[in-house]
Amino acid sequence: DTAVSQTPKYLVTQMGNDKSIKCEQNLGHDTMYWYKQDSKKFLKIMFSYNNKELIINETVPNRFSPKSPDKAHLNLHINSLELGDSAVYFCASSQDVRVGVGNEQFFGPGTRLTVL
Amino acid sequence: DQQVKQNSPSLSVQEGRISILNCDYTNSMFDYFLWYKKYPAEGPTFLISISSIKDKNEDGRFTVFLNKSAKHLSLHIVPSQPGDSAVYFCAASAYSGAGSYQLTFGKGTKLSVIP
Repeated sequence: DTAVSQTPKYLVTQMGNDKSIKCEQNLGHDTMYWYKQDSKKFLKIMFSYNNKELIINETVPNRFSPKSPDKAHLNLHINSLELGDSAVYFCASSQDVRVGVGNEQFFGPGTRLTVL
Repeated sequence: DQQVKQNSPSLSVQEGRISILNCDYTNSMFDYFLWYKKYPAEGPTFLISISSIKDKNEDGRFTVFLNKSAKHLSLHIVPSQPGDSAVYFCAASAYSGAGSYQLTFGKGTKLSVIP
């Protein structure tokens, strides 16, 4: 049983296209996240949702729009894809918004997006 | 502006010896620190953490040390095993307002344990 799953695992697309990445967690967690790992290998937070409510929205282009239909899902939609969007995108979840003992973040396997 | 720095991109250690991975941070508001381990084509997995009110936390072969005055933490793995070969990310947490906390990650250190 996969705790945090993402689909697709690989995504290759042309510039200008619109694409979505789906994330689901079966841990019963309240908080979900999207991270981007760029070519320099930094993992950076993009968005965080708690109980379907947006609580962290880092400085990312508004072409990126997260959607949380329920607590178990957080999808990422990207409009008008650009070359610089190529990266690995990780979804994660945690029990709640705090960071501390017993509330660590669990990560999905990542989606490698390549924009040609 | 890298608030969490892992200055060694890679480290090689013989099996059975100690691995020491280092991490420095600049933000004095960080109050919780974590280490994550990542295998290729997988997401990071939580390894061990430490609160800023402590200076050491141990879990089996893994020990994390925190030196707040130096803004430095380290992860010790002893004895090192080939299965420990992975990329290790240091992460730090601070309250970011509106009831939310934010993790800031370092670039990672690739550990290779040689049999």
